[in-house]
Amino acid sequence: DGGITQSPKYLFRKEGQNVTLSCEQNLNHDAMYWYRQDPGQGLRLIYYSQIVNDFQKGDIAEGYSVSREKKESFPLTVTSAQKNPTAFYLCASRAQGRNEQFFGPGTRLTVL
Amino acid sequence: AQSVTQLGSHVSVSEGALVLLRCNYSSSVPPYLFWYVQYPNQGLQLLLKYTSAATLVKGINGFEAEFKKSETSFHLTKPSAHMSDAAEYFCAVSVGNAGNMLTFGGGTRLMVKP
Repeated sequence: DGGITQSPKYLFRKEGQNVTLSCEQNLNHDAMYWYRQDPGQGLRLIYYSQIVNDFQKGDIAEGYSVSREKKESFPLTVTSAQKNPTAFYLCASRAQGRNEQFFGPGTRLTVL
Repeated sequence: AQSVTQLGSHVSVSEGALVLLRCNYSSSVPPYLFWYVQYPNQGLQLLLKYTSAATLVKGINGFEAEFKKSETSFHLTKPSAHMSDAAEYFCAVSVGNAGNMLTFGGGTRLMVKP
């Protein structure tokens, strides 16, 4: 089945630690996105990538980093510089020439 | 820049009643508009999309939305609510000259009473 997978579903981190969230897609989509969701605030764009080896900052990139070494993969690292990392993180992808994005199941990150 | 406003963060209806979730957008160029649904602790699922082909758009699960340019609206409706419709709904806008970025509204939580 084609789709987007995110792992892990739940992640716990101690303050001061970096953590990497995985996002993989087998839809052959060119563009990939990372969003952060907080209660009552909708989704906010962290980073996006339109093509392999290229990515751009979104609206709230501070404290996050990404890489896009393969078309299928777009991991997100939440660094210790992110002041309030507890949130639900969603990965999405989009096919070239299309406007709609398709979403993965999400990773809930909790900082202890 | 584009923006989306969803009026009403919570909407409650009785099972079998009409569902109406409101979305207004702002865009300087013709927009693409989307409705997504999110069930608890899950990702977003595309309900329907407007891409200028037809103003009345039908989606999955019996939902539809009408694009009204004069009102800059894209409200989501369903004639008869079902308990399984209880979820959070997001309206989103995208414009082609902005790299197809999606801008989301704040979401509306739909509650369905038996």
